[in-house]
Amino acid sequence: AQSVAQPEDQVNVAEGNPLTVKCTYSVSGNPYLFWYVQYPNRGLQFLLKYITGDNLVKGSYGFEAEFNKSQTSFHLKKPSALVSDSALYFCAVSHDSGYSTLTFGKGTMLLVSP
Amino acid sequence: EPEVTQTPSHQVTQMGQEVILRCVPISNHLYFYWYRQILGQKVEFLVSFYNNEISEKSEIFDDQFSVERPDGSNFTLKIRSTKLEDSAMYFCASRKDSPSTDTQYFGPGTRLTVL
Repeated sequence: AQSVAQPEDQVNVAEGNPLTVKCTYSVSGNPYLFWYVQYPNRGLQFLLKYITGDNLVKGSYGFEAEFNKSQTSFHLKKPSALVSDSALYFCAVSHDSGYSTLTFGKGTMLLVSP
Repeated sequence: EPEVTQTPSHQVTQMGQEVILRCVPISNHLYFYWYRQILGQKVEFLVSFYNNEISEKSEIFDDQFSVERPDGSNFTLKIRSTKLEDSAMYFCASRKDSPSTDTQYFGPGTRLTVL
């Protein structure tokens, strides 16, 4: 069985400061890791994914994430937060067999203050 | 940019009634999914669909649920006899092709409220 943990319900950061949203995972086989963002009353928007290769992956809106196999983590980062980044962020995992169903974490609310 | 679309955006129904949630996946995608998100909880997988049949389903997807691709564009989720606990946001997603590394793209969701 696969699982995702997002240990923080909420992350608060001031605009212009770097942000990190944490994610750890558990999966059998090679993990495929994803970050999605959900704005109020909207669907899930894909941000970035790690499949293989470089541990640092870059995605939409200046976000990046670092895959750390030894720590089974895939933390989302951004060097300089914007107020418009305020949203609910979901980490998700699938693996290299089956039909790639995603298992999601519970989500982390990111609040960026002006 | 192509998007997954879902209708209706909000559905209110009485307990015991049947509902059909509709999705139009991205046109050249081959794998289709339904997920749901109960208010304040995580997004949960319901079912995946490929080549006109269910490929995987979760424990949530019991006999009250069914999926169908009635034509070349629509993908539907039917709940035969709704229960209060079916109230949730239902998301449709689609994926282009193998390999399993490909990204799932989600629709905006249908909020189902069962009274």
